[in-house]
Amino acid sequence: AQSVTQLGSHVSVSEGALVLLRCNYSSSVPPYLFWYVQYPNQGLQLLLKYTTGATLVKGINGFEAEFKKSETSFHLTKPSAHMSDAAEYFCAVSAPGTASKLTFGTGTRLQVTL
Amino acid sequence: ETGVTQTPRHLVMGMTNKKSLKCEQHLGHNAMYWYKQSAKKPLELMFVYSLEERVENNSVPSRFSPECPNSSHLFLHLHTLQPEDSALYLCASSQGGGINNSPLHFGNGTRLTVT
Repeated sequence: AQSVTQLGSHVSVSEGALVLLRCNYSSSVPPYLFWYVQYPNQGLQLLLKYTTGATLVKGINGFEAEFKKSETSFHLTKPSAHMSDAAEYFCAVSAPGTASKLTFGTGTRLQVTL
Repeated sequence: ETGVTQTPRHLVMGMTNKKSLKCEQHLGHNAMYWYKQSAKKPLELMFVYSLEERVENNSVPSRFSPECPNSSHLFLHLHTLQPEDSALYLCASSQGGGINNSPLHFGNGTRLTVT
């Protein structure tokens, strides 16, 4: 069984500041990990994913995440926030070979202020 | 048109109505999904179809009835819903479910309000 915990339902940063969205997971098998973004009135869009190999993965729009097995974490970062980054972000986990069993976190709403 | 398209975008229905949500994917995927997104709750997987056969049904009430006539189309038939069924219903598709574990591609959802 897998689970995901996203710390902080709301995060506010100033434009140009570092973005850090936290995600911790629980999995009985080596996990596949995902970050999705949801803009208002839209569906979810894949930002990045970790399956195997390099633990630092780069995604779209300047985001990246690092898989840390010892900390069971997959935090999402971006060096410099832009107003267009304001959205809701979802972390998700699945077991290898089970795309239909994607377990999502409750989401973190990112606000970017001037 | 590309991606995953859902219609209608918004739907208001009474508890005695019957309506259907439609999803169409233009990505050549062979698996399709219905998710329910409610405020302050994780996305809930409702149904999974792989190669047009239902492979997962996560204890969804029978007032929700899915239909997958082919690999590009997915419907969710609704009848005698309850107000707590009001939510954003998201359709998604993927290629395979095996080792490749293709990520999900989502539509923009149907915002359902049950009055």
